Amino acid sequence: GAGVSQSPRYKVAKRGQDVALRCDPISGHVSLFWYQQALGQGPEFLTYFQNEAQLDKSGLPSDRFFAERPEGSVSTLKIQRTQQEDSAVYLCASSDGTGARNQPQHFGDGTRLSIL
Amino acid sequence: AQSVTQLDSHVSVSEGTPVLLRCNYSSSYSPSLFWYVQHPNKGLQLLLKYTSAATLVKGINGFEAEFKKSETSFHLTKPSAHMSDAAEYFCVVNNYGQNFVFGPGTRLSVLP
Repeated sequence: GAGVSQSPRYKVAKRGQDVALRCDPISGHVSLFWYQQALGQGPEFLTYFQNEAQLDKSGLPSDRFFAERPEGSVSTLKIQRTQQEDSAVYLCASSDGTGARNQPQHFGDGTRLSIL
Repeated sequence: AQSVTQLDSHVSVSEGTPVLLRCNYSSSYSPSLFWYVQHPNKGLQLLLKYTSAATLVKGINGFEAEFKKSETSFHLTKPSAHMSDAAEYFCVVNNYGQNFVFGPGTRLSVLP
């Protein structure tokens, strides 16, 4: 079956613009995660959804970052008034458990965001 | 709090020789541990996972890892490196909570 799909693959925006990144998880997966991966570093957790409920947003770096998953499937990560430090790869992952600690996460290829 | 240390930022081996990528973790509970691989401009692919069953875990593409609680280690090994193994490797710890904590990664180069 299809894996996690993210769009766009690449996004270039000017500083101050708003951007929206989309994630289509594996069909039926309950849990959805967003990560930020800076150049040369490991991914860092941003936020977690269980179905449509955002259960953890402790990793969002500022109130300019907002994520939603209104129908419990597709999710959108929105960044308002982008800054250069927002440049990174944004990864989405899904899993078919309710976030149980032994459930592996399946990752998309990411969106590479560049802020000029 | 949980954390992951990957002792080597870069490992270089010759094709056909063994691979050892080191990982140490810090965790308050009995953790779940994972290794993921990331090829350039691609997402992360699961290699293997440890979830308190057998301490020696076998994964895909000939990789395996051994969980050693006394050493808080989960090193990744492969008997014979292949050119296609060249990639970035991440050790991941997951505690009782939902969040994965990634190590900084080890870049594996395979020389012909």
